[in-house]
Amino acid sequence: GAVVSQHPSWVICKSGTSVKIECRSLDFQATTMFWYRQFPKQSLMLMATSNEGSKATYEQGVEKDKFLINHASLTLSTLTVTSAHPEDSSFYICSANWPGEVQPQHFGDGTRLSIL
Amino acid sequence: GQNIDQPTEMTATEGAIVQINCTYQTSGFNGLFWYQQHAGEAPTFLSYNVLDGLEEKGRFSSFLSRSKGYSYLLLKELQMKDSASYLCAAMDSNYQLIWGAGTKLIIKP
Repeated sequence: GAVVSQHPSWVICKSGTSVKIECRSLDFQATTMFWYRQFPKQSLMLMATSNEGSKATYEQGVEKDKFLINHASLTLSTLTVTSAHPEDSSFYICSANWPGEVQPQHFGDGTRLSIL
Repeated sequence: GQNIDQPTEMTATEGAIVQINCTYQTSGFNGLFWYQQHAGEAPTFLSYNVLDGLEEKGRFSSFLSRSKGYSYLLLKELQMKDSASYLCAAMDSNYQLIWGAGTKLIIKP
């Protein structure tokens, strides 16, 4: 069964809206979660590493103020796309590892974000 | 820099065998992963190799040669449901995954 739950699975909203995506680890505590973005026919791109109780580590080129990450508990990380624009439309996926394991990453089902 | 190369697209026939190749260049190496991703869905884990050789898991096998920076995923007895993208990812010395762009596998009857 699923070990990582992601919600919502699909969001359509107007330009300028802020959108929050939740990622939950089921039945285990994840001190680290990962947020990816994937454009059509392209590879997964790591956006940031979410660390419980501390600031997220963002990859080069990812705007921290645009993509707010909060990892307030050991089972929940959230990604908020602030003031979303059409170019932010993408497939956003979170993942987490079992405690003590560096592999494999277990992925949530992903969130398809469409900004009109 | 760090890089993963794999073919963009491959076509095979139902019941046949297909091999998807992947070459990688990373700063350090902590393993090579293969994931399957159906359109519109998140990736699912298929295999992990950290030592040289072949790992067999049912219809799927994965091979690694660290000296050559090379891996392949072998799919046997292809089924229509195997039509998907197959992602190769290498883990570097910082335990960060470097992802390939994926190989879209098309299975024909």
